[in-house]
Amino acid sequence: AQRVTQPEKLLSVFKGAPVELKCNYSYSGSPELFWYVQYSRQRLQLLLRHISRESIKGFTADLNKGETSFHLKKPFAQEEDSAMYYCALSYNFNKFYFGSGTKLNVKP
Amino acid sequence: GAGVSQSPRYKVAKRGQDVALRCDPISGHVSLFWYQQALGQGPEFLTYFQNEAQLDKSGLPSDRFFAERPEGSVSTLKIQRTQQEDSAVYLCASSLVPGRETQYFGPGTRLLVL
Repeated sequence: AQRVTQPEKLLSVFKGAPVELKCNYSYSGSPELFWYVQYSRQRLQLLLRHISRESIKGFTADLNKGETSFHLKKPFAQEEDSAMYYCALSYNFNKFYFGSGTKLNVKP
Repeated sequence: GAGVSQSPRYKVAKRGQDVALRCDPISGHVSLFWYQQALGQGPEFLTYFQNEAQLDKSGLPSDRFFAERPEGSVSTLKIQRTQQEDSAVYLCASSLVPGRETQYFGPGTRLLVL
């Protein structure tokens, strides 16, 4: 069963525009949600997780349990934000489920 | 310090051949994960170790896949009688302690089965 859905394979925005990468999940309990990022020719790395309630590189994500969503947002996209973004879920930290990823392309 | 390393970085195998993929986690990291990432997809969980104990292997796609971490540090993912559908990037990740710790990913091994 697909636990994490990222509906957009590719998202293109202009520099300075707001960006929202969508993530929906299906899990009845209280999972932990994460966003991972992979810049070109770099390793997959953690961007942020909902339990930390932090803003990293201007990105924030709010867990909406009613809509089972964990969308990633940034008010003003920068060219260096261009990367692959993966939403991930875990309920016991022994196993992680990743979405299929969204490629963000920020145009100058 | 050194991050997670994986070897080989690239592997071409003929169908039916056995392969072994190595992961060196960050020193002292207790948790170790293996993932399979097919082209255009996100990482898919294969198995999880806590020290030398394999606590979850529910993601291994068949009995041709086997993973071990005998001394609680280096791990090996072995694939027997490789098939074309095994072609993927195999990612290893480690974290310091079980629980709410960040996973650090290796660069991956790209396996191509011809």
